[in-house]
Amino acid sequence: QKEVEQDPGPLSVPEGAIVSLNCTYSNSAFQYFMWYRQYSRKGPELLMYTYSSGNKEDGRFTAQVDKSSKYISLFIRDSQPSDSATYLCANKLTGGGNKLTFGTGTQLKVEL
Amino acid sequence: DTGVSQDPRHKITKRGQNVTFRCDPISEHNRLYWYRQTLGQGPEFLTYFQNEAQLEKSRLLSDRFSAERPKGSFSTLEIQRTEQGDSAMYLCASSPTGDEQFFGPGTRLTVL
Repeated sequence: QKEVEQDPGPLSVPEGAIVSLNCTYSNSAFQYFMWYRQYSRKGPELLMYTYSSGNKEDGRFTAQVDKSSKYISLFIRDSQPSDSATYLCANKLTGGGNKLTFGTGTQLKVEL
Repeated sequence: DTGVSQDPRHKITKRGQNVTFRCDPISEHNRLYWYRQTLGQGPEFLTYFQNEAQLEKSRLLSDRFSAERPKGSFSTLEIQRTEQGDSAMYLCASSPTGDEQFFGPGTRLTVL
């Protein structure tokens, strides 16, 4: 079992839809949670970062963390074709230097 | 642009050759990370530097791989005697605190 699991998709939605992307993890020691967006053949771009359970909102994006169930979600409101990309969930242990552990990513396609 | 930069962006080499990649982190970020990403997978951690000290190495980093950060600024990743299995995207990230990590565009390696 991988430490961080994501459905690889692809997930296809119409423009304007609310998108829900999900991630589960198995290591209770993970304390920091991130979502990255990666366009084809580009490096990952940090979208959201949180270290506590609950919701964090930034523009059209909301990250939700439930540590008790080890479940992380990213919601995208009013989705646009430019949101079409792979969304990577990443977790990190507490402490300043530790590596990120990524899921495989979910491919999202927002269609006109 | 003051983001993380990587050079070259794409490298094609023949099996058995040595290759070297360079990463320039965001200015004043003292933490630098190398990751490897293969098609359809999330990035996997290779190694981590704090200033010039290499503090953590993954078991993925075989004896053919070596990384340096001689003056605590840019870093190089060298692969000796390349194999076809080394074909991947090599990503560099930097961080001021070790929490949020910011990635470069990556170097895509193709070993023929």
